[in-house]
Amino acid sequence: DGGITQSPKYLFRKEGQNVTLSCEQNLNHDAMYWYRQDPGQGLRLIYYSQIVNDFQKGDIAEGYSVSREKKESFPLTVTSAQKNPTAFYLCASSISRTSGSYEQYFGPGTRLTVT
Amino acid sequence: AQSVTQLGSHVSVSEGALVLLRCNYSSSVPPYLFWYVQYPNQGLQLLLKYTTGATLVKGINGFEAEFKKSETSFHLTKPSAHMSDAAEYFCAVSASHYGQNFVFGPGTRLSVLP
Repeated sequence: DGGITQSPKYLFRKEGQNVTLSCEQNLNHDAMYWYRQDPGQGLRLIYYSQIVNDFQKGDIAEGYSVSREKKESFPLTVTSAQKNPTAFYLCASSISRTSGSYEQYFGPGTRLTVT
Repeated sequence: AQSVTQLGSHVSVSEGALVLLRCNYSSSVPPYLFWYVQYPNQGLQLLLKYTTGATLVKGINGFEAEFKKSETSFHLTKPSAHMSDAAEYFCAVSASHYGQNFVFGPGTRLSVLP
């Protein structure tokens, strides 16, 4: 069954700690994305990657970092520099970023709570 | 630059009634348009999309949407609401010529009353 997995589903951290969210896809998609979702604000793009070893900042990249060492994997690190990290994080992928017609497929999300 | 507005952050309908969720977009190039549904604490699932061709698009779960260029709209409808339709719905626009650059609307929460 092809799809996107994110782990863990729920994550709790103390303020000042870095935390890494996992995202894996077996859809053979070139492009991958990280979004942050807050109540009433829709989805905001954090980072995206069009191909292995390449990634670009989205609209709200400050305080976050990513890597893309394998086509299947696009982990997101929430650093201690992120001022308000508590949110629902969604990973997505698409066949390619070369055309706007390709839909994005989403993982189940990780809810991060920082206290 | 593209943008999406969704009129009404919360819409309530009775079971069996018509569902109408509004989406208006702004795009400097011909758009691709999408509707996604999100159930609580889950990811987004594609309901339908418009790329080219027929302007009335049918999707999953009995939903459909019509692309109206003159009105810059892509409203989502379903003739008869089910309790299972209660969820959050997101409209998204993507540019057609400059690669994929999804812009999501703020979402509309649909409640279905018994």
